[in-house]
Amino acid sequence: EPEVTQTPSHQVTQMGQEVILRCVPISNHLYFYWYRQILGQKVEFLVSFYNNEISEKSEIFDDQFSVERPDGSNFTLKIRSTKLEDSAMYFCATSGALAGILGQFFGPGTRLTVL
Amino acid sequence: ILNVEQSPQSLHVQEGDSTNFTCSFPSSNFYALHWYRWETAKSPEALFVMTLNGDEKKKGRISATLNTKEGYSYLYIKGSQPEDSATYLCASFSMDTGRRALTFGSGTRLQVQP
Repeated sequence: EPEVTQTPSHQVTQMGQEVILRCVPISNHLYFYWYRQILGQKVEFLVSFYNNEISEKSEIFDDQFSVERPDGSNFTLKIRSTKLEDSAMYFCATSGALAGILGQFFGPGTRLTVL
Repeated sequence: ILNVEQSPQSLHVQEGDSTNFTCSFPSSNFYALHWYRWETAKSPEALFVMTLNGDEKKKGRISATLNTKEGYSYLYIKGSQPEDSATYLCASFSMDTGRRALTFGSGTRLQVQP
């Protein structure tokens, strides 16, 4: 069964460093998303991406964050200068149609620890 | 602010017990209600997506109902098994925040004792 994969599974970084989290979507999917879950809190929407541009973003997704699909397969989330409060589990999700209204497929997540 | 709430926060049941959880969500600008099953270290897995008031969906021993007028959904598990142990997340897909996106509840953690 097709699945969304994410690398790395765990990333440890120093405050102020840049990190790139990678996701390989299901091959025929068109909509891509990033979510995060800070320990003990709810899963929060960060951004959705369609047709090579951001379609929606939350207040969390500020100038420190960016997304791209550089090679037509990987979908990446970059955090330019990490802060302690960026420590969280980051999930990628993808969907085939209707902007994810009818269901999204999630990856297993990348745990980001900022020291 | 869009608030999706789930209860209970956690639940311990014995194998064979039936159980149910609640998800409440704002009913305005509603598109769909998603239920996901999330086991530790695995991907959240979609169980049900429901869009219409009165929807009922079933997958094996698990079923769900939707009331969009009053803004709630129930998830039922009949005859719980240890492999049902997981966190069950609900998420509302709406335009209530001014954007089309999923808003998640905090989840119900189910532990089924053999």
